Amino acid sequence: EVQLVESGGGLVQPGRSLKLSCAASGFTFSNYYMAWVRQAPKKGLEWVATISTSGSRTYYPDSVKGRFTISRDNAKSSLYLQMNSLKSEDTATYYCARQNNIGTTYNDYWGQGVMVTVSS
Amino acid sequence: DIQMTQSPSFLSASLGNSITITCHASQNIKGWLAWYQQKSGNAPELLIYKASSLQSGVPSRFSGSGSGTDYILTISNLQPEDIATYYCQHYQSFPLTFGGGTKLELK
Repeated sequence: EVQLVESGGGLVQPGRSLKLSCAASGFTFSNYYMAWVRQAPKKGLEWVATISTSGSRTYYPDSVKGRFTISRDNAKSSLYLQMNSLKSEDTATYYCARQNNIGTTYNDYWGQGVMVTVSS
Repeated sequence: DIQMTQSPSFLSASLGNSITITCHASQNIKGWLAWYQQKSGNAPELLIYKASSLQSGVPSRFSGSGSGTDYILTISNLQPEDIATYYCQHYQSFPLTFGGGTKLELK
């Protein structure tokens, strides 16, 4: 059974940093692209980052480019999101998701999400 | 960037009825479209990919169609467990974008 479990969320002040983690199990982690998707309170879904199987390629929307860094450790079956220079508009539930194929594709499994609140 | 416009934003329907949700892309996405269901307080779940392919385990009352810029999600014989918010998402190219969502309620 595919499982994705996020951790590391919490309350953080504007301008500070936070690192999210996602522990994967039930599939061969190193064979899949992975992604982060977020959802602000009572809002829709927003794609945040994607990483290739080896970690050599990463992709971001303009809203987080230069502030967020996605990474992975295939030996630990873990995905990470380093978030720097946080803003109030980054407040959201962050989901770890498995991407079905390489490159641009859909998310076939999602974690339960972790809440990040950016506030002073 | 490709913009995804979903309609309606809210939909009220009766059990046993059929409903349709539409998703319009700002350019041709060549069928690279997925639909997700999100129940209150839960993570999204994949329903349909490649515009019309049903994800394993999803009931056959869900179906998708469309091509080019216009896509439809149809739910037939509406069941209580279908009450949720539905999102479309293109994956033609980066950045990946979602529609604004359709909240389905019981009439």
